[in-house]
Amino acid sequence: ETGVTQTPRHLVMGMTNKKSLKCEQHLGHNAMYWYKQSAKKPLELMFVYSLEERVENNSVPSRFSPECPNSSHLFLHLHTLQPEDSALYLCASSPNFGLFYGYTFGSGTRLTVV
Amino acid sequence: LAKTTQPISMDSYEGQEVNITCSHNNIATNDYITWYQQFPSQGPRFIIQGYKTKVTNEVASLFIPADRKSSTLSLPRVSLSDTAVYYCLVGVSLDSGNTPLVFGKGTRLSVIA
Repeated sequence: ETGVTQTPRHLVMGMTNKKSLKCEQHLGHNAMYWYKQSAKKPLELMFVYSLEERVENNSVPSRFSPECPNSSHLFLHLHTLQPEDSALYLCASSPNFGLFYGYTFGSGTRLTVV
Repeated sequence: LAKTTQPISMDSYEGQEVNITCSHNNIATNDYITWYQQFPSQGPRFIIQGYKTKVTNEVASLFIPADRKSSTLSLPRVSLSDTAVYYCLVGVSLDSGNTPLVFGKGTRLSVIA
């Protein structure tokens, strides 16, 4: 356990479904992140939250909708996804936004869109 | 965010020392050098960070020459469990920084028995 817990670990969904990914951290960190990792591609930063405020959105399609209700929880709401959205979705947290050390990642959710 | 260049892949036998070099010619004065490790189907894990000279912890050593335009991650006596992707990142590590962690392709290390 890294201190960042992601659920579910695996998810298979149809293109018309709506699902949510959940991330929870017990480290007292102030920043949380969503990353996407497709097969044989580098990690892509999707969203950044600092003190529950979204500070960065890297041109992510609107079918991905993040939510950060408090500094310990982060959600990624999914709807009408495409097969190319199949990937490993990783949540991370860090003590404060902008630091390069202290990033703690969860184990990820392996998403398959059929 | 300083651009980094590192080998795409490396192979090593068990028990050998592995050195992965990262080039970062346009590193800025305030930039730190940070390395992360990622096992298959897991999130990256922080390994080590340094600013200059040498840093050592229980996992690895980081060597940074005086000009700081490159750095070398050294893994002593690797085992099969060290097979992973290693990422070199260069950027600000101060509270006033405003750059999130952005990963490159990393170096895929394969340790062979």
